[in-house]
Parts: sequence; structure tokens; C-alpha cells
Amino acid sequence: ETGVTQTPRHLVMGMTNKKSLKCEQHLGHNAMYWYKQSAKKPLELMFVYSLEERVENNSVPSRFSPECPNSSHLFLHLHTLQPEDSALYLCASSLQGWGTTEAFFGQGTRLTVV
Amino acid sequence: KQEVTQIPAALSVPEGENLVLNCSFTDSAIYNLQWFRQDPGKGLTSLLLIQSSQREQTSGRLNASLDKSSGRSTLYIAASQPGDSATYLCAVSTSGSRLTFGEGTQLTVNP
Repeated sequence: ETGVTQTPRHLVMGMTNKKSLKCEQHLGHNAMYWYKQSAKKPLELMFVYSLEERVENNSVPSRFSPECPNSSHLFLHLHTLQPEDSALYLCASSLQGWGTTEAFFGQGTRLTVV
Repeated sequence: KQEVTQIPAALSVPEGENLVLNCSFTDSAIYNLQWFRQDPGKGLTSLLLIQSSQREQTSGRLNASLDKSSGRSTLYIAASQPGDSATYLCAVSTSGSRLTFGEGTQLTVNP
């Protein structure tokens, strides 16, 4: 266990559905991240939150909408996704948000868009 | 733009062998470098973190080195075991809070 918990572990959704991914960390960290891992590609940073404020949005389509209600919880709201959005979505946290501290990852949510 | 390359892409070795995984990055202005392990369909497990001011870090049978000026890191695994089979990812932390990942080395240790 890394201290970062993601739910659900697996999700199948239609292109017209709305769903949310949840991430929770119990490490007392101040920064949280969403990454996307597609087959045969390196992990791609999607969003960064530091002290509940979004500090980076890596040109992600608006059909992905992040929410960080407090420093322990991070959501990724999904709507009208495309089949190419199928991937493993990973949440991570670190003590600080400027890259000097170790990042811890959750187990990921395997998303399939049909 | 930071780019991270890992060589080899895949490696298969017999149990007990010592092995080296390589990571190179194009921009030496990094805060730190982190090695991760990923089992199939799972998340990432942090193995070692090397700060930019450090040269190496050790944890058990793992040793990671960093040569920031040449943009290289190696992960040395001693006396490999079948349980070491996984994908090993290298990531560097640069400006802001960005972690840039390589594509990974898929390691298979055969009994």
C-alpha cells in the first residue's frame, strides 16, 4: 500500500455517460496529480493541484474535469469521452507541489470507453 | 522540452544475474530522479529517489546512480529474482511540479 487509494479500480462507460474517478491520500501531502497511461506510451501528466489550487493543466480536453475539494481528495469527472480515452488513470501525491519531493502513486483506474 | 529515454525496452535474464537498467534525459536542470516499479495492470511503486545533489541511493538489492551533467541514471539490481519481474520506470522532476517519464524497461527474470 502506497497510502494513495483510487476508486473504482475498473470502469467501463459509454461515450454519453458521466462518471467520476476518486483518489484519496492519507499521507498528509499537499500536492495531488492525475496522470494518464496509454498502451505503448509514457505516462502523461494531466493535472496538478497544490494546496487545493490547480497549478497545471497540461492541455487536457474539457471532457476531463478535475476537482480537489481538500488536500486529501482528488476527483476526475468524465463526460462524453471517446474510445481513445481508454487508458489507466493514475493518481499521485507528494508532500510539496514543486517537484522536489517523492511522488507516491495509487493503483490506478482502468477505464474502458465503449 | 524534457525527454526521457530508457534502454533496453525489454530484458530477459536468468535468476541470480546482476543487471543494469539505463535512463537518460535531455535537460540536466532537474530537481530529482525517481525509479518506479509497475506490475501489470497496477500502479507505480516508488523504489528510489535521488535528489539532484546526490550521486546515488541504495535500497536492499537496488542501487541507483545519477550523473546529472551527462543526463544519465542507472538502476542496478543485484542477484535478480523472479519476483523482480515488472516494468521499471524512470522519471525526472523538472520545473514546476512536472514528472517526465520514460517508456520503461520490461524485465523478466526466469527461474
